[in-house]
Amino acid sequence: GAGVSQSPRYKVAKRGQDVALRCDPISGHVSLFWYQQALGQGPEFLTYFQNEAQLDKSGLPSDRFFAERPEGSVSTLKIQRTQQEDSAVYLCASSLPPAPEAFFGQGTRLTVV
Amino acid sequence: SQQGEEDPQALSIQEGENATMNCSYKTSINNLQWYRQNSGRGLVHLILIRSNEREKHSGRLRVTLDTSKKSSSLLITASRAADTASYFCATDFAYNNNDMRFGAGTRLTVKP
Repeated sequence: GAGVSQSPRYKVAKRGQDVALRCDPISGHVSLFWYQQALGQGPEFLTYFQNEAQLDKSGLPSDRFFAERPEGSVSTLKIQRTQQEDSAVYLCASSLPPAPEAFFGQGTRLTVV
Repeated sequence: SQQGEEDPQALSIQEGENATMNCSYKTSINNLQWYRQNSGRGLVHLILIRSNEREKHSGRLRVTLDTSKKSSSLLITASRAADTASYFCATDFAYNNNDMRFGAGTRLTVKP
């Protein structure tokens, strides 16, 4: 596609529900990042993939968060047993090394009620 | 955890004035990038400066980098109302230039 696509754009989940957020990166982009952005804050790093390998998951806040990119293209961020503090915008970005510039999707706004 | 910190947190200026935002970071880097985010949208890449560069220009944007002070500044000249947005610096780590971390951002408001 022309850009990074994320779905859904908006998600309302009941507390305790599991959610899955999808990211379609730019075709051919090797690197893929997930970030969490609270209202009025900067993006907080969650995890990073190079192709299908998850090279850094140090930013995942708990074991309820899980990300995968099984075929090195589409990625899914899964949050189990959602809690209110998980409410945020989840941003996905991709890049093509060695160029460090990252291209972002529009994000998924998750609201846990 | 975030690598960069921007200041000021918020900046309000009149159209036509220049806007300067600063970013400080903690560890050695390969590159520093500036991104812009309009409300409710994704981030858009503005400009990149490498660790061996001191200044870079792109249109109305001017970026400086001082690696000895671990700081960078973004200058937007002749600002326009359409420049109203949040601006973030992003740094990688010298050991892994594909691991990108952001600061909390500067919220710029340009009044017409």
